[in-house]
Amino acid sequence: QKEVEQNSGPLSVPEGAIASLNCTYSDRGSQSFFWYRQYSGKSPELIMSIYSNGDKEDGRFTAQLNKASQYVSLLIRDSQPSDSATYLCDITGNQFYFGTGTSLTVIP
Amino acid sequence: DAGVIQSPRHEVTEMGQEVTLRCKPISGHDYLFWYRQTMMRGLELLIYFNNNVPIDDSGMPEDRFSAKMPNASFSTLKIQPSEPRDSAVYFCASSSQGALSYNEQFFGPGTRLTVL
Repeated sequence: QKEVEQNSGPLSVPEGAIASLNCTYSDRGSQSFFWYRQYSGKSPELIMSIYSNGDKEDGRFTAQLNKASQYVSLLIRDSQPSDSATYLCDITGNQFYFGTGTSLTVIP
Repeated sequence: DAGVIQSPRHEVTEMGQEVTLRCKPISGHDYLFWYRQTMMRGLELLIYFNNNVPIDDSGMPEDRFSAKMPNASFSTLKIQPSEPRDSAVYFCASSSQGALSYNEQFFGPGTRLTVL
């Protein structure tokens, strides 16, 4: 079993819809959870961080963390074509783990 | 701050040659990471340092790869000899540790390496 499993996609949603991205992890010692966005040919950039159970909202983005079930998710509301990118989850604690990324395409 | 700086941005070399990639982390960050990204394997952690000391190099693919961090503001990743399968984008990232948890990583622009 991989340390981090991320729905590989690709994921396509129409403009204005909700995009849902998910990661599960195996290390129960994980403490910090991040979502990065990576545009083609660019480096990953942080969009959300979450450290405790529950939801965290920032504009159109909501991160959800459930440590008991060992998953973290990212919801993008009112998806825009500019959201088209690869999204990577980063699970950090005893070690550092990145998911393989989910490619999202928002169709105008 | 200028962010994480990597050089060169692009490197084209021939098989068997030595390649050296350079990274300057964000000032004050005590963690430095080297990653390799390919379409097939995604983002792979090669090695990371804490306070200039290598902590985990289990991701380094083989002895041809080596990394050093002689001081808090500079790190190198060296491949000797290089092979075509080393062609990838290599990212350097830096981070700091908060009081209770780890903070996010800041990535450099990457070095696109092509080995012919």
